[in-house]
Amino acid sequence: SQELEQSPQSLIVQEGKNLTINCTSSKTLYGLYWYKQKYGEGLIFLMMLQKGGEEKSHEKITAKLDEKKQQSSLHITASQPSHAGIYLCGADRGSTLGRLYFGRGTQLTVWP
Amino acid sequence: EAQVTQNPRYLITVTGKKLTVTCSQNMNHEYMSWYRQDPGLGLRQIYYSMNVEVTDKGDVPEGYKVSRKEKRNFPLILESPSPNQTSLYFCASSLSGRGAGGYTFGSGTRLTVV
Repeated sequence: SQELEQSPQSLIVQEGKNLTINCTSSKTLYGLYWYKQKYGEGLIFLMMLQKGGEEKSHEKITAKLDEKKQQSSLHITASQPSHAGIYLCGADRGSTLGRLYFGRGTQLTVWP
Repeated sequence: EAQVTQNPRYLITVTGKKLTVTCSQNMNHEYMSWYRQDPGLGLRQIYYSMNVEVTDKGDVPEGYKVSRKEKRNFPLILESPSPNQTSLYFCASSLSGRGAGGYTFGSGTRLTVV
């Protein structure tokens, strides 16, 4: 079974709209990463969250990790076509450094 | 420029013909890893390395080998490729294995085994 569930699988929004992508785990997350991927290309690191309740922002993108450290959300404010791509959440597999696993991704389309 | 470089970007090969995909990073990172990405299955870790001469299996190591003889290089070896290893492969590196800087990914290698 997929250990990191992302929702929605795909999202189509009009430019200027806000949106949220969720990443849920059945286990406590030691480290939660958000990446963006253009189709068929490498992953670009966005943010990493470690502490319960932590929130980080970069430009118009905000990521949060809940207090229980089992769910994270990625929120984009006033979306732009440049935000389009696949958003992936990844997490450390337990306490072992270097072991990562990923959700299946959320495909975001932003139309003008 | 700080980066992870994979070669080749595209590769078509025949079943059973040994191949190596190279990965090099110029950031003096300790941690390196390989992933494969498949439609519907997402990104899955093949092998990872914590430092020179220290490697361990990820989630899907069957059919692959790795080596870490130098800190900067982490090649992925397919001794006898099969069609089910057709995939998009990514190499990644990280300074500490878990940190605010995350992992830096290469641009990917699209492998087709016929």
